[in-house]
Amino acid sequence: EAQVTQNPRYLITVTGKKLTVTCSQNMNHEYMSWYRQDPGLGLRQIYYSMNVEVTDKGDVPEGYKVSRKEKRNFPLILESPSPNQTSLYFCASSPRGSRRPSTDTQYFGPGTRLTVL
Amino acid sequence: GDSVTQMEGPVTLSEEAFLTINCTYTATGYPSLFWYVQYPGEGLQLLLKATKADDKGSNKGFEATYRKETTSFHLEKGSVQVSDSAVYFCALENAGNNRKLIWGLGTSLAVNP
Repeated sequence: EAQVTQNPRYLITVTGKKLTVTCSQNMNHEYMSWYRQDPGLGLRQIYYSMNVEVTDKGDVPEGYKVSRKEKRNFPLILESPSPNQTSLYFCASSPRGSRRPSTDTQYFGPGTRLTVL
Repeated sequence: GDSVTQMEGPVTLSEEAFLTINCTYTATGYPSLFWYVQYPGEGLQLLLKATKADDKGSNKGFEATYRKETTSFHLEKGSVQVSDSAVYFCALENAGNNRKLIWGLGTSLAVNP
């Protein structure tokens, strides 16, 4: 089944304890991205990747890192989580990574609910 | 910059009622427009999309027409079911934004039997 998977789905952690949220897609998609969803603010892009080894900042990258060593995986790393990173996180992928307009659908994972105490 | 505004919820309807969720956008050029749905406890699923003016997207009985003259993409369904209870998001993707989706804040829909 074609899908985007995220792990873990739920995580409660403490301030400063490094964590990684994994994202994997089995559709050979070039483009992947991370969003966070917060009440009243909606979904905001954290980082995106046009293809392997190509990543760039979205609108709210502070406190996050990503890597794209393989096409299928795009982990989100929080080196020193803080309470303001408590949020619902979504990973997305899409067939083509292009800076030109695209009609490709973006497929989303099930979300990771992170609480930082 | 680009933005999306959608009607605030929650919206509560009885089964078989008509649904409209309003969505308007601000963007230069010709963005692609989307409706995504988030069922309780699940991720975001694409419901329908339209990529140029006057296109109508449709899926599962839902429809939305890309109206450039009114910069709108309202979601409609003629007869809602309890299983349509979810949060609905309007979004756009525009050239020059590196494939970033710009989102509305979501509209929660509850359908009662």
